[in-house]
Amino acid sequence: AQTVTQSQPEMSVQEAETVTLSCTYDTSESDYYLFWYKQPPSRQMILVIRQEAYKQQNATENRFSVNFQKAAKSFSLKISDSQLGDAAMYFCAYRSSGNTPLVFGKGTRLSVIA
Amino acid sequence: DSGVTQTPKHLITATGQRVTLRCSPRSGDLSVYWYQQSLDQGLQFLIQYYNGEERAKGNILERFSAQQFPDLHSELNLSSLELGDSALYFCASSADLNSSYEQYFGPGTRLTVT
Repeated sequence: AQTVTQSQPEMSVQEAETVTLSCTYDTSESDYYLFWYKQPPSRQMILVIRQEAYKQQNATENRFSVNFQKAAKSFSLKISDSQLGDAAMYFCAYRSSGNTPLVFGKGTRLSVIA
Repeated sequence: DSGVTQTPKHLITATGQRVTLRCSPRSGDLSVYWYQQSLDQGLQFLIQYYNGEERAKGNILERFSAQQFPDLHSELNLSSLELGDSALYFCASSADLNSSYEQYFGPGTRLTVT
């Protein structure tokens, strides 16, 4: 079974600075998808960014980018120019190709300091 | 707003009782997933339905059941409730079974068992 590990339960960053959240996963598959979800205090799960395993290019969405290292099974999220609204729980998630649900890590709580 | 609706938002009930959580997927989405988010277990997949049929089962207890109706809304039934069932229950929907389609999460139902 696939597993997702987020080794940083909590992180903090100064406003306008850059922070990187770590995620590693374990799989024997070659075709899969990786996601970062944000869960603010409202508890809504918001998709931040996704990466297809077959794509070598790292995904970017505005201030959010990933460092996808397929061989190392690593998928980190970089948040640039951090804003107060970025404070939330961040979940890394894995999904196999085909009809499969998401497998989530335990999450990293990010605090943004003004 | 993801387009996925869940009712009720909050539910408080006593041990031994039975409750029903309701989910309406995004317009046109055929696949519905249920996830449980608890403090000790994190986010876990419970069950998936596609166009009215059960497609995948995760860590769902025998006391829990679900169904998807012809209008594609889904209900999660939790019976003989225990204190440990207190959690946030999410419904997510996606257009099809193809993993390239996103899963969009509803706002969740917070269940408190006293």
